[in-house]
Amino acid sequence: AQKVTQAQTEISVVEKEDVTLDCVYETRDTTYYLFWYKQPPSGELVFLIRRNSFDEQNEISGRYSWNFQKSTSSFNFTITASQVVDSAVYFCALITAGNNRKLIWGLGTSLAVNP
Amino acid sequence: GAGVSQSPSNKVTEKGKDVELRCDPISGHTALYWYRQSLGQGLEFLIYFQGNSAPDKSGLPSDRFSAERTGGSVSTLTIQRTQQEDSAVYLCASSLDNSDTQYFGPGTRLTVL
Repeated sequence: AQKVTQAQTEISVVEKEDVTLDCVYETRDTTYYLFWYKQPPSGELVFLIRRNSFDEQNEISGRYSWNFQKSTSSFNFTITASQVVDSAVYFCALITAGNNRKLIWGLGTSLAVNP
Repeated sequence: GAGVSQSPSNKVTEKGKDVELRCDPISGHTALYWYRQSLGQGLEFLIYFQGNSAPDKSGLPSDRFSAERTGGSVSTLTIQRTQQEDSAVYLCASSLDNSDTQYFGPGTRLTVL
C-alpha cells in the first residue's frame, strides 16, 4: 500500500524564519515520484517540485529547498527566510508505477507566516 | 499557454438534483484526472483518463458518479441525485502522459443544500 504522512497539521512562524515541512512516504514500488504542491488561500493547487525515486539529489530553488532521503523515506521541504506570501497549505504527494499514476496525498500542512 | 480550466467555479444545488462539472485540460495533455477535496477528508482520487478511456475509476464513491471524456480533451463529471455529502471542491488535473506532472485547475466548489 502507498501512503503519505505529513505529521505537522499547522505551523505558525514569524516572517524571515526558516521552516521545514516534513513528509514521510510508504511504498513497496522501486519506481515512484514525489511531489510538493502549494495551495494558497485562493484554492488553486500549484506544482512546486517533482522528484523521481532514482534521483536523491537535493534541490534548491530560490528560498525553497527539498531534501530527499530514501533511507528514511522522507522528502522534506524547507522555506528559508519565510514571507507572508508563503502562507498556504502545502501538500506532499506520491505516484508509483503500480497505481495507475494517481496521486496519493498527505493531509497537508497549513503554514501561517506572520508579519 | 492556457492552464487547466474548470466550470462552473461555484455550483449550489438542491439535494436530489443532477450536476455536471466540466474540465478543459491543457492542450496536448493526454492524461486527465478528477480529484475531490473535502473538509476533513483531504484530497481523494476519483477517476483517471488516458485519452478517452478510463483505465482507473476506482475512486468514484458510488454509481451516482460518472465521468466521460470526448475527443481526448474536455471531460465532464456528472453527479446524479446529489447528496449533502457530495459537497466538496472538485479538482481536475491534466498531464502530458500518465507519468508526467499533473497540473491542476482552479476547481469547482459544489454545495448541496
